[in-house]
Formats: sequence, C-alpha cells, structure tokens
Amino acid sequence: AQSVTQLDSQVPVFEEAPVELRCNYSSSVSVYLFWYVQYPNQGLQLLLKYLSGSTLVESINGFEAEFNKSQTSFHLRKPSVHISDTAEYFCAVLNTNAGKSTFGDGTTLTVKP
Amino acid sequence: DTGVSQNPRHKITKRGQNVTFRCDPISEHNRLYWYRQTLGQGPEFLTYFQNEAQLEKSRLLSDRFSAERPKGSFSTLEIQRTEQGDSAMYLCASSLRSANTDTQYFGPGTRLTVL
Repeated sequence: AQSVTQLDSQVPVFEEAPVELRCNYSSSVSVYLFWYVQYPNQGLQLLLKYLSGSTLVESINGFEAEFNKSQTSFHLRKPSVHISDTAEYFCAVLNTNAGKSTFGDGTTLTVKP
Repeated sequence: DTGVSQNPRHKITKRGQNVTFRCDPISEHNRLYWYRQTLGQGPEFLTYFQNEAQLEKSRLLSDRFSAERPKGSFSTLEIQRTEQGDSAMYLCASSLRSANTDTQYFGPGTRLTVL
C-alpha cells in the first residue's frame, strides 16, 4: 500500500515571494513521483515528475522538486511566484509495477498582490 | 490538440437515473484510468485498463458502476441508479506504459450533479 501526505492544505503568499509545498509519501516499493496543478473547474495538468536519475527535477514555468529517498519527500518549490500560480497542487505517487496513482489531498496556493 | 477528451463536461441528473460518461485517450496510449474527485480532496482511483482488459477495480467501484473499453480506444463509465453521493468530478487519464515510465495525462473531467 502507498499513501501521500501534503502537509499544508492552504499556503498564502505574496507575489514574488518564494514558496514551498510539502509532500511526504509512504510506500513499500519503488515509486515514481509527480506534481500536478489544477485550476478551477479543470482537469489536472502535469507539472513535473521524477522517474529516475537526477533527484532535482524542474518544470518549464520555474517550479522545481527534489526527491529525497531517505526522508520520503518530494517538496515543490518556486523562488518567486506570480499571481497566475494561484491554483490547487497535487502530489502523487505511482508504484513502478502497478497502474494506479495515489494522490494527496492537495495544497491550495494563493498568491496575493 | 490531441490530449485526453471527456464528454459531457457537465451532467445534472435526478437520483435514480442512469448516466454514462465517455473518455477518449491520447491515441497511442495503451492505458486508460478513471478517477473520482470530490471537493477538497485529491483524485481517488476507480479502475484502469490496459488496452481492452480491465486490470484493476477499486473497492470504491460499487456494483452500480461499470466501465468498458471495448476496442482498446475510448472508454465509457456508467453509473446506474445514481445517488446524491455520486456527485463528483469524474476524471479520465491515459498513459503509455513502457519499461521506465507510466506518466498519466488527465482530461478536463465530467462534473456530475445528482439532485
């Protein structure tokens, strides 16, 4: 079995400030790790993923996440946020030998001017 | 855009009616997934297919729910005798399962409201 805990349900920050959205997971087998973003009334968009190799992965819009196997974490960071980053962010794990993903309950990021 | 598509985008129905949703995956993807998402929660796995074979079903999927992927392309999710507790966003995703990746891409979802 696997589980995902997103430690903060809501994160309010001011524009241009740095942000970190925390994600911890539990699994008895090796996993792939993902961050998705969801805007209101839309589906989930893949933000970034860790499959193997370098533990630091980056997205095209300035987000990055680091896989930490010893701490079973995959925290999402951005050094300077924009108003348009306001959305719900979901962390997910996928058993490398199975099909389904397990998602956290999400973190609402609100960027204020 | 050849991403995952879902129809309808919104469905309002009365309790006890049957509803059917359709998902068209990305064309070369061999896996297709259904998830359910309620307000304030992350998506919960319902079932998935590899080609036309249904490989796993969640315990969340009661006997009133059935999913098919008859030719390994599009899929349908049917809910019989809908209940108010079925109100949720139903998400479809697809992926190309290979040796070292299985990244799921999601459609826009179908929002079901049961009155």
